[in-house]
Amino acid sequence: EVQLLESGGGLVQPGGSLRLSCAASGFTFSSYAMSWVRQAPGKGLEWVSAISGSGGSTYYADSVKGRFTISRDNSKNTLYLQMNSLRAEDTAVYYCAKAQEGYSYGGGFYYFDYWGQGTLVTVSS
Amino acid sequence: SYVLTQPPSVSVAPGQTARITCGGNNIGSKSVHWYQQKPGQAPVLVVYDDSDRPSGIPERFSGSNSGNTATLTISRVEAGDEADYYCQVWDSSSDHPGVFGGGTKLTVL
Repeated sequence: EVQLLESGGGLVQPGGSLRLSCAASGFTFSSYAMSWVRQAPGKGLEWVSAISGSGGSTYYADSVKGRFTISRDNSKNTLYLQMNSLRAEDTAVYYCAKAQEGYSYGGGFYYFDYWGQGTLVTVSS
Repeated sequence: SYVLTQPPSVSVAPGQTARITCGGNNIGSKSVHWYQQKPGQAPVLVVYDDSDRPSGIPERFSGSNSGNTATLTISRVEAGDEADYYCQVWDSSSDHPGVFGGGTKLTVL
């Protein structure tokens, strides 16, 4: 059974930093890309970042590029999101998601077949 | 960056068919995925690659994609289908490839 367990959320002041973790089990972690998706209170889903199975390729939303860093430790089956220079608008539940890769005539793509329960990050003074 | 447009809300009576649209420029050339999210819960994948269903998802959920519109169709709607639904694509030509639509609240009357 695939399980994703996020941790590391909490209250942080504007300009501060936080590192989220996502412990994965039930699948061969290194074989799959992983992603972070967030949801501000009462709002929709926003894709944040993704990383390939090897960790060699990373992708970021424009809203977090240069402030957030995604990484993974395949020996520990753990995904991370280092969040720096946090802003009030970064307040959200952050979900870890396992990515499934596919290909069509339009090119390669990812979708998210398993999700964690999320961890709340609140940026406020 | 690529934009996906969904109607904020759709209402349907039990037993009827709900259709939730997702608009995007030439979206028919991309693979579209759909998620269901109930209050206080994590999203659940209900359709991937335009029209495929993960195991455990009822056949009542189906998808199509052509031109500038992708559609999630829920047949014989039940009270338990009431939720927010999001479409998603991966725009591999972009530096910021992950894209979600704004979400549609499905209300079962």
